[in-house]
Amino acid sequence: ETGVTQTPRHLVMGMTNKKSLKCEQHLGHNAMYWYKQSAKKPLELMFVYSLEERVENNSVPSRFSPECPNSSHLFLHLHTLQPEDSALYLCASSQELGRNNEQFFGPGTRLTVL
Amino acid sequence: GNSVTQMEGPVTLSEEAFLTINCTYTATGYPSLFWYVQYPGEGLQLLLKATKADDKGSNKGFEATYRKETTSFHLEKGSVQVSDSAVYFCAGNNAGNMLTFGGGTRLMVKP
Repeated sequence: ETGVTQTPRHLVMGMTNKKSLKCEQHLGHNAMYWYKQSAKKPLELMFVYSLEERVENNSVPSRFSPECPNSSHLFLHLHTLQPEDSALYLCASSQELGRNNEQFFGPGTRLTVL
Repeated sequence: GNSVTQMEGPVTLSEEAFLTINCTYTATGYPSLFWYVQYPGEGLQLLLKATKADDKGSNKGFEATYRKETTSFHLEKGSVQVSDSAVYFCAGNNAGNMLTFGGGTRLMVKP
């Protein structure tokens, strides 16, 4: 595997379910990110991790819970979601934090909440 | 705060036409600027970037010049192909952690 991978690629869940999204980067990067991409809205940054420490949390509801057990893996735990949480969730990584650092994106998980 | 504004789409062009997608930014200081492309069913890929005023980023025939005087970073290509059909995102990074995206512009190129 190369680059940034995400699993599952598609997920359908009910509002009472608990599920997790997984992201893995094979680039040796130190920073990882979760974004939400909704129809008709700009890409929204949700969480930022650097060296497994959370450095940014953009007022995301507590029903989304990130976890970064090591610099290669990032999870997004989901519970009691709402239909408006249906979106494409994108993971990204970069070598370091910093204004010049390119972010590499995974293919995303398409989430549908019924 | 920082913001990025890009032209709304969709932009529909015939093959070999000239492409311009406008992007302007508002930021304190001088951000690094990026264009990302998202093909159907995929994540975002970096297309090009510029880190300081007057820098020109280029890749795959696309170009964009960092214009400090007009706070712009317009994307151009001299001759588009059907395979360029995708959504294009302009983005700026000023504070290190926050990559601020524009709303995206869908490009459709017809044969």
